[in-house]
Amino acid sequence: QVQLVESGGGVVQPGRSLRVTCAASGFTFRSYAMHWVRQAPGKGLEWVAVISYDGYNKYYADSVKGRFTISRDNSKNTLSLQMNSLRAEDTAVYYCANSITAALSWPFEYWGQGTLVTVSS
Amino acid sequence: DIQMTQSPSSLSASVGDRVTITCRASQGISNYLAWYQQQPGKLPKLLIYAASTLQSGAPARFSGSQSGTDFTLTISSLQPEDVATYFCQKYDSAPLTFGGGTKVEIK
Repeated sequence: QVQLVESGGGVVQPGRSLRVTCAASGFTFRSYAMHWVRQAPGKGLEWVAVISYDGYNKYYADSVKGRFTISRDNSKNTLSLQMNSLRAEDTAVYYCANSITAALSWPFEYWGQGTLVTVSS
Repeated sequence: DIQMTQSPSSLSASVGDRVTITCRASQGISNYLAWYQQQPGKLPKLLIYAASTLQSGAPARFSGSQSGTDFTLTISSLQPEDVATYFCQKYDSAPLTFGGGTKVEIK
């Protein structure tokens, strides 16, 4: 079965960097687009970024553009999100999510359990 | 970018009531609209996609409809396990924006 497991969250000071990753299993990772979605404590869902199956196409939410970078390693079945210049408003649970389709934009059938990133001094 | 406006932000209804939640897109998105349910403390769960197609495993009391850029999620007979926050999401193209959410409670 599809399994997505995030890691790398923690407490980080404003302005610093952090990298979160998602280990995927149970499907042919290299064939499908992957997304990051975040949810601030007690708030709604915010789509963050998507990367195409081959890593060539990437799109970002305006709120993170220029600060966050999505990447993938298809040889290791891992998805990453490099977060630079972190702000208090980036505090959230970060989920990797996807659907088993070839489309870059498609609703999310599968979600990881999430990893909490707290930006605080 | 296209904005997704959900209403109401919260509602309270009795078991057995018909409940309606609306999501409005600021521009046309065809039928590229999905609905998710997030029960307290749980992950979001896909309920409906393509505006009106029920996801496999979702209860038949959930339905979706569309009128232009207005989308509606209907729960035909509210059940206690439907207590959750519901989100719409556009997926015509990036950004895959979510609506603000509607919290549904039992009266």
